[in-house]
Amino acid sequence: DAKTTQPTSMDCAEGRAANLPCNHSTISGNEYVYWYRQIHSQGPQYIIHGLKNNETNEMASLIITEDRKSSTLILPHATLRDTAVYYCIVRATGNAGNMLTFGGGTRLMVKP
Amino acid sequence: GAVVSQHPSRVICKSGTSVKIECRSLDFQATTMFWYRQFPKQSLMLMATSNEGSKATYEQGVEKDKFLINHASLTLSTLTVTSAHPEDSSFYICSLVGYNEQFFGPGTRLTVL
Repeated sequence: DAKTTQPTSMDCAEGRAANLPCNHSTISGNEYVYWYRQIHSQGPQYIIHGLKNNETNEMASLIITEDRKSSTLILPHATLRDTAVYYCIVRATGNAGNMLTFGGGTRLMVKP
Repeated sequence: GAVVSQHPSRVICKSGTSVKIECRSLDFQATTMFWYRQFPKQSLMLMATSNEGSKATYEQGVEKDKFLINHASLTLSTLTVTSAHPEDSSFYICSLVGYNEQFFGPGTRLTVL
């Protein structure tokens, strides 16, 4: 799976949008971009994934550049409960044996 | 999506004892499960791949005789930390993969005194 690069940490004010960037310049054509987050002392939680189109769900929006070499996860109105480590991962789907490989992630701190 | 449970959520044991951690898939039949380990302030590291009805596959540097994995059914995988030592203290997380998504258990925090 392609490697990703994320900032180590970010701060965000409560109620504001949190924009978390991710670089994946070596992504292959069949690889999706996945975002997970891990709140302290819990298992990772799925947020969203996409291939090349922008995606939105009840948790977040995912913006993928046209060349697919980078993406941004957007939490539109961050709350204190969104404080977590956010992982951007690229992975090919369609294979049950294709597990996720975690990088360092971005530690997002939402402040009141 | 699939729901994954782990038991216990937290365990404290003495050095030299063995600890068994259970991982259950509550609504999905998983032929493959994954075990991750996470040390404080670090990312998740894959330890092993658990295969139903066959031997587990271990990542480089993970001792298979120390971390015994049994995947006896499509809904249960167990990880036994044998002769635990303080350096085995960590957060252990199991996971299974669906077609589009990977599901994680809530984790088990092991503290070896």
